[in-house]
Amino acid sequence: DTAVSQTPKYLVTQMGNDKSIKCEQNLGHDTMYWYKQDSKKFLKIMFSYNNKELIINETVPNRFSPKSPDKAHLNLHINSLELGDSAVYFCASSQGGGQPQHFGDGTRLSIL
Amino acid sequence: GQSLEQPSEVTAVEGAIVQINCTYQTSGFYGLSWYQQHDGGAPTFLSYNGLDGLEETGRFSSFLSRSDSYGYLLLQELQMKDSASYFCARTGGSYIPTFGRGTSLIVHP
Repeated sequence: DTAVSQTPKYLVTQMGNDKSIKCEQNLGHDTMYWYKQDSKKFLKIMFSYNNKELIINETVPNRFSPKSPDKAHLNLHINSLELGDSAVYFCASSQGGGQPQHFGDGTRLSIL
Repeated sequence: GQSLEQPSEVTAVEGAIVQINCTYQTSGFYGLSWYQQHDGGAPTFLSYNGLDGLEETGRFSSFLSRSDSYGYLLLQELQMKDSASYFCARTGGSYIPTFGRGTSLIVHP
């Protein structure tokens, strides 16, 4: 009965590959987010969707493409992975913007 | 800008009280939230202040002063398990959430 679940938990891959991270929430929330947390623990928002519509798209390389098939899912696809993409990626959801966010356990992406 | 400033590290002993401050830039400010993150874990929501004043939740309290663009998280009766990173987060115009860089709290026996 995990509230926000993301898979995989660990992702180790080579530079240049394409990979996807999936996220699902069973809280009935309208808004979902993707964050990147670097090695210095800085949490930076990448994208936010509200009811399947993109509402926040911060300065992120266009190699990163979010997809929301329904309001309970927000997946992140990354093309042509680079060394600098190594980080922990967190999915989160909330009942509307500005409300408390519930985070998934994170996906630890390591680029070789 | 949308930056938030908080101390990088705070240390305290078990049983003590500690205050973690957060200052923010005012453009498009709606409210201030606090999150806790243990090493290797996910951020978890602690508290939210949309109005000036103190919000209390058990051993944790959070305060906001809009006129001073300032808030703090107060942790009482510190326990070893409180050792973690604490983030203040601002919800601004268009609800773009912005997190501070986090304060590492180290609790000593």
